[in-house]
Amino acid sequence: AQKVTQAQTEISVVEKEDVTLDCVYETRDTTYYLFWYKQPPSGELVFLIRRNSFDEQNEISGRYSWNFQKSTSSFNFTITASQVVDSAVYFCALSETSYDKVIFGPGTSLSVIP
Amino acid sequence: DADVTQTPRNRITKTGKRIMLECSQTKGHDRMYWYRQDPGLGLRLIYYSFDVKDINKGEISDGYSVSRQAQAKFSLSLESAIPNQTALYFCATSDTGEWDQPQHFGDGTRLSIL
Repeated sequence: AQKVTQAQTEISVVEKEDVTLDCVYETRDTTYYLFWYKQPPSGELVFLIRRNSFDEQNEISGRYSWNFQKSTSSFNFTITASQVVDSAVYFCALSETSYDKVIFGPGTSLSVIP
Repeated sequence: DADVTQTPRNRITKTGKRIMLECSQTKGHDRMYWYRQDPGLGLRLIYYSFDVKDINKGEISDGYSVSRQAQAKFSLSLESAIPNQTALYFCATSDTGEWDQPQHFGDGTRLSIL
């Protein structure tokens, strides 16, 4: 069965600090996709990144970076120089295909304090 | 206009009432999904539909029913609402033709059952 674990329930950091959100997944599939979503206080889900299991390259997008390691079944998300606007719940998710139903982790609530 | 529209956005109702949440999409996608979000649990799949004639139960379908009235419409019903169905509900769509794209989510419906 597929499962996504986000062990950090809540994290608080002071503005400009770096923060890493952990994600560990379980799947028996050899091909799969991993996602990160952001849910700001307004409630909508904002897609951040998709990564397929064949692509282990790390990715950087502005202040965001993602570290995918198949050996440890982890897909961690780092925010550099955090800002108050980064305060949100972040979900890691897993899917058998890019377009199929998604298994979500429980989420990590990030608070960035000014 | 939003690609995936959920109505209503907010609803407060009483135990035992019948409730219908509606989802419509303009993306022309075949696949539609209903998820429920509870604090600390992430999003969980209730029902999904691969086309108008194909309806499938998800992880937590008990107490819910769905109707796929057309390719663009997918409704979720609570026949007799109970307080533990208080949650944030999301509709999503996807398409096998967009293999490179993740699911597209609506903005959510906040449902409170008193």
